[in-house]
Amino acid sequence: TQLLEQSPQFLSIQEGENLTVYCNSSSVFSSLQWYRQEPGEGPVLLVTVVTGGEVKKLKRLTFQFGDARKDSSLHITAAQTGDTGLYLCAGAPFSGGYNKLIFGAGTRLAVHP
Amino acid sequence: EAQVTQNPRYLITVTGKKLTVTCSQNMNHEYMSWYRQDPGLGLRQIYYSMNVEVTDKGDVPEGYKVSRKEKRNFPLILESPSPNQTSLYFCASSSLPGQGAEQYFGPGTRLTVT
Repeated sequence: TQLLEQSPQFLSIQEGENLTVYCNSSSVFSSLQWYRQEPGEGPVLLVTVVTGGEVKKLKRLTFQFGDARKDSSLHITAAQTGDTGLYLCAGAPFSGGYNKLIFGAGTRLAVHP
Repeated sequence: EAQVTQNPRYLITVTGKKLTVTCSQNMNHEYMSWYRQDPGLGLRQIYYSMNVEVTDKGDVPEGYKVSRKEKRNFPLILESPSPNQTSLYFCASSSLPGQGAEQYFGPGTRLTVT
């Protein structure tokens, strides 16, 4: 069974702090996605990383795909209250359906003013 | 506005009473999926569809049925709901084939089976 483990499960910080969220697996993925989910809504895609070692930046968010394509991290610089939400990573295994995704359980982030 | 809609958003029902959760997308996407989200378990795929009349099981299909008679609609059917199907359900669609395609999610349906 392919699993994606996210850590930490919960994170409560003050506005302006930096943070890093991790997504780890023993399996190799062809690509990895990060989604953000807000209460009462479905997940929304933030980024897709495809190449081992790839780094993508989205304003204050930096995403990295591990060299071995087994793990990923999301770093937020100077967090804002608007960053509050559930962050989900999702990996696409090499063997699977047309758009098979394995989701992690998520990191719930709360940013306080 | 491009979107995936689900109805109802909230549903409380009793064991054994058949129910249907509707899903519709207006983006002309070929690919649609149903997921359930449970605390500590993340999103797990129930069923998916690659096109009209083409459906297949995901990771947790037991107790669920789907149909895809029209491209835009992908209803989820629980013939005889049980309490272990209490969950938050999401419908999703995508336009691209292949793995890792971006999924567009609906707002979710919170189902409680007593």
